[in-house]
Amino acid sequence: AQSVSQHNHHVILSEAASLELGCNYSYGGTVNLFWYVQYPGQHLQLLLKYFSGDPLVKGIKGFEAEFIKSKFSFNLRKPSVQWSDTAEYFCAAFAYSGAGSYQLTFGKGTKLSVIP
Amino acid sequence: DVKVTQSSRYLVKRTGEKVFLECVQDMDHENMFWYRQDPGLGLRLIYFSYDVKMKEKGDIPEGYSVSREKKERFSLILESASTNQTSMYLCASSSATKQGSTIGAQHFGDGTRLSIL
Repeated sequence: AQSVSQHNHHVILSEAASLELGCNYSYGGTVNLFWYVQYPGQHLQLLLKYFSGDPLVKGIKGFEAEFIKSKFSFNLRKPSVQWSDTAEYFCAAFAYSGAGSYQLTFGKGTKLSVIP
Repeated sequence: DVKVTQSSRYLVKRTGEKVFLECVQDMDHENMFWYRQDPGLGLRLIYFSYDVKMKEKGDIPEGYSVSREKKERFSLILESASTNQTSMYLCASSSATKQGSTIGAQHFGDGTRLSIL
C-alpha cells in the first residue's frame, strides 16, 4: 500500500531555532504533495503544495519545502521558528494512476512545540 | 473565502444507531472528502467524491457509506454505529483539474467529534 511517513512524532524547539520536518512518500508515479498545519483548536489549513516545476516551494508564514524525487521526500523547513508556530503538521500525497484510480494519504502528523 | 460547514461540532449516539454527518461547501468544488482523525494515527481517508453521485473508497471505508446528491453536499453515514467509530470526523473540499489528475488545496471544516456509547 502507498504510504506517507513523517519521521518525528513530537519536536520541541526554542524560539529562533531552525526547523526541518521530514516527510517521505512511497508513490512511484506523478504525485501532488502538501503540507497542512493544525493550530490548537483550529481546523487544518494549507501551508504549501507541490504539483510540478521548481522543487523548492514557498508557503505561508515563512515555511518552505523541497521536493527531492530521488529520495521520495518533501521536507518542511523554516529558518527561525516562533512560539506561534506551535501546532501539528501533516504531510499529504495525492496520486492519480488513471482510470479513476486515486490514492490520497496523510502522514500521522508531527507535533511541534516551540518554547519561548 | 471557502467555507466548509459540518452540521454538528459534537454528537453523541448509541451503538447500533444509524448516524448521518452532513457537510456543505460553498465554493463549487468538484471534490469532497471525509476523514477521521485519531491521536497518533493522523487523518485517514474514509471516502472521496470527485463528482455528484461519484465516490471512491479511501483507506478505511468499512462500516461507512456516503451520499452526494448535490455538488455542494456530501454526507457520511454510519450504517450501524459501533464504539470503535468514536472519533473526530473531518470533511474537506477541493478543486480539481480536468480529468481529475490533480487536486487543489483541501479546505477543511471544523470537524464533528462523534462519541458512540
